[in-house]
Amino acid sequence: AQSVSQHNHHVILSEAASLELGCNYSYGGTVNLFWYVQYPGQHLQLLLKYFSGDPLVKGIKGFEAEFIKSKFSFNLRKPSVQWSDTAEYFCAVGWGNDMRFGAGTRLTVKP
Amino acid sequence: DAGITQSPRYKITETGRQVTLMCHQTWSHSYMFWYRQDLGHGLRLIYYSAAADITDKGEVPDGYVVSRSKTENFPLTLESATRSQTSVYFCASRTAGPYNEQFFGPGTRLTVL
Repeated sequence: AQSVSQHNHHVILSEAASLELGCNYSYGGTVNLFWYVQYPGQHLQLLLKYFSGDPLVKGIKGFEAEFIKSKFSFNLRKPSVQWSDTAEYFCAVGWGNDMRFGAGTRLTVKP
Repeated sequence: DAGITQSPRYKITETGRQVTLMCHQTWSHSYMFWYRQDLGHGLRLIYYSAAADITDKGEVPDGYVVSRSKTENFPLTLESATRSQTSVYFCASRTAGPYNEQFFGPGTRLTVL
């Protein structure tokens, strides 16, 4: 069965530290890839998405992600996190009308 | 710009009762979705709808019923609520075509006692 794995359940960083959140999926066909963010008490918002083309995609708020097809991975990165990045981050993989989400990674940024 | 709204935002009910969660979107998006969010599981798809009167099961449909008589509304009904259905429920919508992002509502926190 198709699945999406996020390796880190909870990540704690200090401001200005670099961030990388891992996401791997199991599906051999063509997929669309997404990262969503959920700030405390808010709904999910799209950070970035990949459909085709350049495997390095840039999103909002300085986030980027790299699609590595051979590794079935779509890791999220940010060079320097801020306190306001404290949130839960979800990787999602879509194909056809289906979309599966990872379990989420909670990011806490200490001021 | 109302977007996508859900009601109620919070609901407490008892085992065995019927509960309906409402979802309304103002964009005329073709597709609408219901997810549940549980700790350790992320979001899991319950049901989705490609258009009015067209619905289909997702990953975890058991115990839920949906309908879509109008494009803008997509209610989710728990016919006989169980404690395992305590969760946060999110409605989402998107335009036709598989490549478009989904837009999420604010969520409904449901507690079944």
